[in-house]
Amino acid sequence: GESVGLHLPTLSVQEGDNSIINCAYSNSASDYFIWYKQESGKGPQFIIDIRSNMDKRQGQRVTVLLNKTVKHLSLQIAATQPGDSAVYFCAEVNDYKLSFGAGTTVTVRA
Amino acid sequence: KAGVTQTPRYLIKTRGQQVTLSCSPISGHRSVSWYQQTPGQGLQFLFEYFSETQRNKGNFPGRFSGRQFSNSRSEMNVSTLELGDSALYLCASSPHQPNTEAFFGQGTRLTVV
Repeated sequence: GESVGLHLPTLSVQEGDNSIINCAYSNSASDYFIWYKQESGKGPQFIIDIRSNMDKRQGQRVTVLLNKTVKHLSLQIAATQPGDSAVYFCAEVNDYKLSFGAGTTVTVRA
Repeated sequence: KAGVTQTPRYLIKTRGQQVTLSCSPISGHRSVSWYQQTPGQGLQFLFEYFSETQRNKGNFPGRFSGRQFSNSRSEMNVSTLELGDSALYLCASSPHQPNTEAFFGQGTRLTVV
């Protein structure tokens, strides 16, 4: 089965609000995680990454949190915009491969 | 700087045929990975190449194969196509260690009829 999963398949967010997308992983040996955004008809787009020796990393309007104790990863998007509507995947890296969760579809309401 | 380029973008093939997909990584990237994306199975790892060597392989039948050239460009081949092979095939390239900062191409949409 999949080693990485997202808690919710869909998320509806009001424009301007903050979004939180969650992901649970099962392989405690994973040392690197990546969040991707995929828009319709496009390939996954790299958003932000985090290594296992960190618990938080910030980018432009995005923050990734890693809780190794409970093997949980989250992506926070500040001031969600219509352009943030997409499917979001978390991925863990092991043995030179990415293992993806099922994805969360984020819909931004105007 | 050009991104990852996959060709062709769309393909329609008949059951039993074979197909070759191409991926040109970002300049300077030496690692290339391939993934299959379907609505039912999500994104699944096919194989990864680094400096022309296959470093890892996913759980796909032997009909799926790949290779990498000295210029880091990669091809994947699927022989004896089945209806279930219809999918979006994605290629990702990485600069240094495989699968760090992996950047994806637009994908090749393969339809088997």
